[in-house]
Amino acid sequence: GAGVSQSPSNKVTEKGKDVELRCDPISGHTALYWYRQSLGQGLEFLIYFQGNSAPDKSGLPSDRFSAERTGGSVSTLTIQRTQQEDSAVYLCASSARGKPYGYTFGSGTRLTVV
Amino acid sequence: QKEVEQNSGPLSVPEGAIASLNCTYSDRGSQSFFWYRQYSGKSPELIMSIYSNGDKEDGRFTAQLNKASQYVSLLIRDSQPSDSATYLCAVPGGSGYSTLTFGKGTMLLVSP
Repeated sequence: GAGVSQSPSNKVTEKGKDVELRCDPISGHTALYWYRQSLGQGLEFLIYFQGNSAPDKSGLPSDRFSAERTGGSVSTLTIQRTQQEDSAVYLCASSARGKPYGYTFGSGTRLTVV
Repeated sequence: QKEVEQNSGPLSVPEGAIASLNCTYSDRGSQSFFWYRQYSGKSPELIMSIYSNGDKEDGRFTAQLNKASQYVSLLIRDSQPSDSATYLCAVPGGSGYSTLTFGKGTMLLVSP
C-alpha cells in the first residue's frame, strides 16, 4: 500500500482481556517499529524488526507484551491481560533500507482499557 | 539511557514571526538529529534531519546543531497557523542502532 496501515483504529477492551493490534508496513520497507504514546508523554519505543533478524524487544514494558512479524511484512502486537496503564495510542512505523531514521508512521491504534 | 529534553510549551507566536524550538540531549556521542511534526490527533512525520554542526535550511525551516553544547534547534520563519503542531526532537539509539529516542515534544501555536 501507499502508507503504513494499522488496525483497528480504535479498540476499547475490558481489563484482563487480550488484544491484538495489526500493522501492515509500506511494501519493500525492511524495518518495522512499534511505539506507544500516552497522553502527555513522548513516544516510547517497544520493539523493532529488521528483515529476518531477531527482533529488538528491549522496549517491551512487561512479558504481557509480545509481537511477531510474519513473512517480513505484517506485524501483530499482542497485549495479554490488559491493564488500565496500557491505555495509549500504539503507533507502527516502517523505514526503507538505507534510511533507518526516516520513519513513516501509521495512523495508530487508540487502545482504551476500561 | 539516552535522554532528549524539550520544553512542553505551548510556544505561542503571531503569524509571520519566527518560531524557535529547542532540544537538548544527553549523549555526547549522538551524531544525527531529527525533527518530527505531529498535528493534533495525527501521527508524527519527519520534517528535518541534521548531522553536522551548524545550520541546515529547507524552505522556511532551519535546523541548528551545536554538539559542544548538546542542543539542536528548529527555526520556523514566517510562521503560519498551519504550523501549529507538536514538534518532536529525536536522536538515534537508546534501544537499538536503528531506533529513535524521542523527546516529549513542544507544542507550537501560531495565531492569525
